[in-house]
Formats: sequence, C-alpha cells, structure tokens
Amino acid sequence: GQNIDQPTEMTATEGAIVQINCTYQTSGFNGLFWYQQHAGEAPTFLSYNVLDGLEEKGRFSSFLSRSKGYSYLLLKELQMKDSASYLCAVRGNTDKLIFGTGTRLQVFP
Amino acid sequence: DAGVIQSPRHEVTEMGQEVTLRCKPISGHDYLFWYRQTMMRGLELLIYFNNNVPIDDSGMPEDRFSAKMPNASFSTLKIQPSEPRDSAVYFCASRGEGGYNSPLHFGNGTRLTVT
Repeated sequence: GQNIDQPTEMTATEGAIVQINCTYQTSGFNGLFWYQQHAGEAPTFLSYNVLDGLEEKGRFSSFLSRSKGYSYLLLKELQMKDSASYLCAVRGNTDKLIFGTGTRLQVFP
Repeated sequence: DAGVIQSPRHEVTEMGQEVTLRCKPISGHDYLFWYRQTMMRGLELLIYFNNNVPIDDSGMPEDRFSAKMPNASFSTLKIQPSEPRDSAVYFCASRGEGGYNSPLHFGNGTRLTVT
C-alpha cells in the first residue's frame, strides 16, 4: 500500500528555523514534492526532490533520503506569512501524486 | 497565463440534488486531476485524465461520482445524488508533459456543502 506521514501541527516563533518531516512508503518512487497551502487557498508548489540530498531555494530547503523513505522541509528566518499548511506528496510508478494529510504550521510573533 | 479555473467557488445544495463542478486546465497541459480535500483525510485523488482520456478512476468513491473531459480545455465532476458526506473542497489540477518533475498547478477549488 501507500502511506505518507507528517506531523499534524507545529508551532514556531518569527525569525526561527523549523523542520517539517515526512516519511513515506510507496510503490515505486519518482520524486517527492512539497506544497504550501494557506487557509482557504489552493496548494502551491514549493520544491521537488528525486535524488538524495538537500535542495535549497532561498529561505526554504528540502532534503531527501530514498533509502530511509524520509524527507524534510526546512524553513529559515520564519515570517508570519509562513503560517500555512505544508503538504508532502510522492509520485510512485504512475502519474499519480499522492499527498500526506499536511502539517499546519503556526508562526507566532 | 490564467491558471486553472474552477467554478463555482462555493456550492450549497440539499441532499439528493445533482452537483456539477467545472474545471478549465492551463492551456497546453495534457494531464488533469480531480482531488477532494477534507480535514480528516487530506487531499485524495479521485480521477485523472491524460489527453482527455480517463487513466485511473480508482479514487472515485462510488457510482454517484462521475467525471468527463470532452475536450482539452474542459472537465466536469458530477455527483448524483449528493449526500452530506460529500461536503468537502474539490480541487482540479493540471500539469504539462515535462516529465516526473513537473508540478501540479491547482485551481482555487470548489467548496461544496450538502445539507
């Protein structure tokens, strides 16, 4: 079967660093995506990993370990506008993108 | 680029009524996906199309749900008859043929409430 796990909620302080973890078990693997979703809005693409290692994009970085079925999204210099849900999604052997239930991040001043 | 366009944004209907949700994908995108999002289950894939052909509808919950894509610029998701447990946000997403790293582009969703 396919399973993607993320923590349900996290809190952090403005200016801090937060790491959101994702573990997965899927039939095949052709990449892992992170999406951001503000309340009442559509998910928007943040990052893609298919090889092991760290991908950095400004304040956001994403890491992948295929052997461990593990990824994390690292958010640095947190801002209030980063309060949102962060969705981990995996593409297996097909064109389907399977999502975890998301991690709701609240940033406090 | 207008993005993925969904209509209506909100739909409130009574149990037993037919509901039709509409989607216009990004021009040139060959894949179209319908997802349903609830607090309990997150984003669930219902069905997806490639070049207007349904490829995988294994996520469609039951026969009350049906989806069509009559041409490259339009798709519908129909629920008949609707039930209160169908209340959710329904998203349409599209992507191009750029390979496995091509991200999905989501519409703003239709919030469906069935009373």
